[in-house]
Amino acid sequence: AQKITQTQPGMFVQEKEAVTLDCTYDTSDQSYGLFWYKQPSSGEMIFLIYQGSYDEQNATEGRYSLNFQKARKSANLVISASQLGDSAMYFCAMRGSLHNQGGKLIFGQGTELSVKP
Amino acid sequence: GAVVSQHPSWVICKSGTSVKIECRSLDFQATTMFWYRQFPKQSLMLMATSNEGSKATYEQGVEKDKFLINHASLTLSTLTVTSAHPEDSSFYICSAKYVGQYGYTFGSGTRLTVV
Repeated sequence: AQKITQTQPGMFVQEKEAVTLDCTYDTSDQSYGLFWYKQPSSGEMIFLIYQGSYDEQNATEGRYSLNFQKARKSANLVISASQLGDSAMYFCAMRGSLHNQGGKLIFGQGTELSVKP
Repeated sequence: GAVVSQHPSWVICKSGTSVKIECRSLDFQATTMFWYRQFPKQSLMLMATSNEGSKATYEQGVEKDKFLINHASLTLSTLTVTSAHPEDSSFYICSAKYVGQYGYTFGSGTRLTVV
């Protein structure tokens, strides 16, 4: 069975500083994908970054980077230069193999990030 | 591209009535749609997976007779909450798979309040 774990229910960060949001996963699939989404209070899901299981380089998208440690089964999100608008819920998600899991996304518990001015 | 339009954004209904939530793919064909439920400050819990033209696959513990999912066309999937009760009050959000770099797009969600 697949599982995603986010152990930080809430995090605080000072504006302009970097923050790391933790995510660990468990799967028996060789091929999988890892995602991070931002969910503001409006409820919409905003895609941030993606890492494929076979990607050798860590993914980066602007101020977002994913620290992918495959052997440790972790996929932490790093947000650099935090902004007030980064305050939101952040979810780590995993897509299993299309064959075994039908490509469904399962989500971690989420981390509520608050950026302090 | 790959936009899913979800309606309504919010709905209040009386206990015992049914509510239908629609998700339409506007610029692509959504062969697979996922329906999630989310309580405040909690994770998105997958309820069911629907494939166009076939019966939905429900996750363990989800009542298929209560949460009716129809995916009759490549651009429309619906979730009907039948005989709604206050405990069904939640945020419901759909997600469609598409052929693209990251492969998933989400509706904007529906906040259901049952009174």
